[in-house]
Amino acid sequence: AQSVTQLGSHVSVSEGALVLLRCNYSSSVPPYLFWYVQYPNQGLQLLLKYTSAATLVKGINGFEAEFKKSETSFHLTKPSAHMSDAAEYFCAVSEEGFQKLVFGTGTRLLVSP
Amino acid sequence: GAVVSQHPSRVICKSGTSVKIECRSLDFQATTMFWYRQFPKQSLMLMATSNEGSKATYEQGVEKDKFLINHASLTLSTLTVTSAHPEDSSFYICSARGLAGRNTDTQYFGPGTRLTVL
Repeated sequence: AQSVTQLGSHVSVSEGALVLLRCNYSSSVPPYLFWYVQYPNQGLQLLLKYTSAATLVKGINGFEAEFKKSETSFHLTKPSAHMSDAAEYFCAVSEEGFQKLVFGTGTRLLVSP
Repeated sequence: GAVVSQHPSRVICKSGTSVKIECRSLDFQATTMFWYRQFPKQSLMLMATSNEGSKATYEQGVEKDKFLINHASLTLSTLTVTSAHPEDSSFYICSARGLAGRNTDTQYFGPGTRLTVL
């Protein structure tokens, strides 16, 4: 069975600082990995996805993530945080066929001035 | 592109009534739509997978007679919460996966529906 672990339910950074949100996955087959962002009382917006092409994936709003098979990780980074980045971030894994997404528990990013 | 809408965004109903939530893919055709439930400060839990023209597949523990799903067209799926009770109060989110092209490997999410059962 697939699973996703997001370390840290809350991450706090200062505006302008590096953002690092951690995601580790478990999958018996080559995974497809996704990062979504959720603002309060809204649905999920796709930030980026890895689908077996380039291991370094660039997404919207300056975010990127690197797929590391040896570490079973797909951490999300952004060089410089903005106040508008404050939100809940979900990592998700899917098997090829994309029938189901398994979500991590989410990480709330807090950005202080 | 790849916009998914939900209606209503918020609904309050009395215990015992039924509520229908619509999920529409606005600019692409979706062979598969998914329904999720999210409790406060928690992750999304998949309730069911809906394929156009066939019966929905429900996750373990989800009552199919209580959460009726219909996927009558390639752009519309509905979730009906029957005989709603306060414990059904939650945030319901749908997603859609496209028929072809770049939309086939990604689920696009609607904005969610906040259901409150009094």
